[in-house]
Amino acid sequence: QQQVKQSPQSLIVQKGGISIINCAYENTAFDYFPWYQQFPGKGPALLIAIRPDVSEKKEGRFTISFNKSAKQFSLHIMDSQPGDSATYFCAASYSGGYNKLIFGAGTRLAVHP
Amino acid sequence: NAGVTQTPKFQVLKTGQSMTLQCAQDMNHEYMSWYRQDPGMGLRLIHYSVGAGITDQGEVPNGYNVSRSTTEDFPLRLLSAAPSQTSVYFCASRQGPEQYFGPGTRLTVT
Repeated sequence: QQQVKQSPQSLIVQKGGISIINCAYENTAFDYFPWYQQFPGKGPALLIAIRPDVSEKKEGRFTISFNKSAKQFSLHIMDSQPGDSATYFCAASYSGGYNKLIFGAGTRLAVHP
Repeated sequence: NAGVTQTPKFQVLKTGQSMTLQCAQDMNHEYMSWYRQDPGMGLRLIHYSVGAGITDQGEVPNGYNVSRSTTEDFPLRLLSAAPSQTSVYFCASRQGPEQYFGPGTRLTVT
């Protein structure tokens, strides 16, 4: 049973455009929602994370939007750059269960110049 | 700090062979985990440890063993490799919610 569903599987965006990746979760006990960025040949690295007490969190060009009632969250990358080309994973866990991070399937983003 | 290190980077095994994937961290983190990454499936938790001497199973533990004798090291053992274990393996450590991942080991079982 896939507890975190991520879409799209792949995404092509022109330089300067907005990249949007969506995730939906099932377990209402989840209260920590990170996004990880992975470049080819590297391990994932934390990009930005949100907790359900806020609806939006912004760090530079990266924004998480969170909809608790719909059990959905999304990553927006503004002014997308070729250097943003990577695979992005959403994930979810709950306090006291950070060891059991549940990942989405991943989205491969390509930003064309 | 080197962070989380993994060896080897690549490995090819024949079915039935055994091997140990090494993982070490120098951040003095209590918590360490092993994940496998397969296309279209994200990362799935194999085993994790909450401190030296304490380990537990994750989502996909079958075919894998772990032990944690020191805070720094968390090796993953494949006792009898199967083609289904062909994957990229990531070790991670954490203190708080953020996981720090190693560079991965790409394992092929033929």
